[in-house]
Amino acid sequence: QKEVEQNSGPLSVPEGAIASLNCTYSDRGSQSFFWYRQYSGKSPELIMSIYSNGDKEDGRFTAQLNKASQYVSLLIRDSQPSDSATYLCAVNLPEPSGGSYIPTFGRGTSLIVHP
Amino acid sequence: SQTIHQWPATLVQPVGSPLSLECTVEGTSNPNLYWYRQAAGRGLQLLFYSVGIGQISSEVPQNLSASRPQDRQFILSSKKLLLSDSGFYLCAWRIRGEDTQYFGPGTRLTVL
Repeated sequence: QKEVEQNSGPLSVPEGAIASLNCTYSDRGSQSFFWYRQYSGKSPELIMSIYSNGDKEDGRFTAQLNKASQYVSLLIRDSQPSDSATYLCAVNLPEPSGGSYIPTFGRGTSLIVHP
Repeated sequence: SQTIHQWPATLVQPVGSPLSLECTVEGTSNPNLYWYRQAAGRGLQLLFYSVGIGQISSEVPQNLSASRPQDRQFILSSKKLLLSDSGFYLCAWRIRGEDTQYFGPGTRLTVL
């Protein structure tokens, strides 16, 4: 079973702190990794994508990828109450028949940023 | 720019009734299209995906079906809804050859 695992949380951090969200995946053939944010009652929106080992920064967000250890993480610096949402990790897994990818999502981590 | 539409936004249906949810994409051709379901407190479950007109792959066998009658139209159907079909249904698309997937606004279905 090809899986993407996340701690469901909730992860509670004070305003201004760094929030660290983690995700592990089982298929070493995975090449593309994504973080989505989903507010309650809304559809997921893309925050970041990462394809290479190391860090990728975009504003207050940093995605980290370690393919050897099969984990991807998201750091949110200077967390704000508006960051309170569920964060979904997604991995493009190779389709069994080849030629395409199947997006596979973790269950998401609930983040609460309190003032 | 590309946009994706889903309707209806909310739907309340009795058990045993039929279902038809529609998704259309604008601003791109030949996209990959996906239907997901998100039950309360649970993750995204991929139901169907399509790489072209008339081409449907099913990930989870159940009482739902999907069709792609036109390049940018994806339809999710059921002949008889079950209570367990309640959830948030999301259509998503991806440009062929690219990796990133984008979601529509979703349809919240309640089966009573």
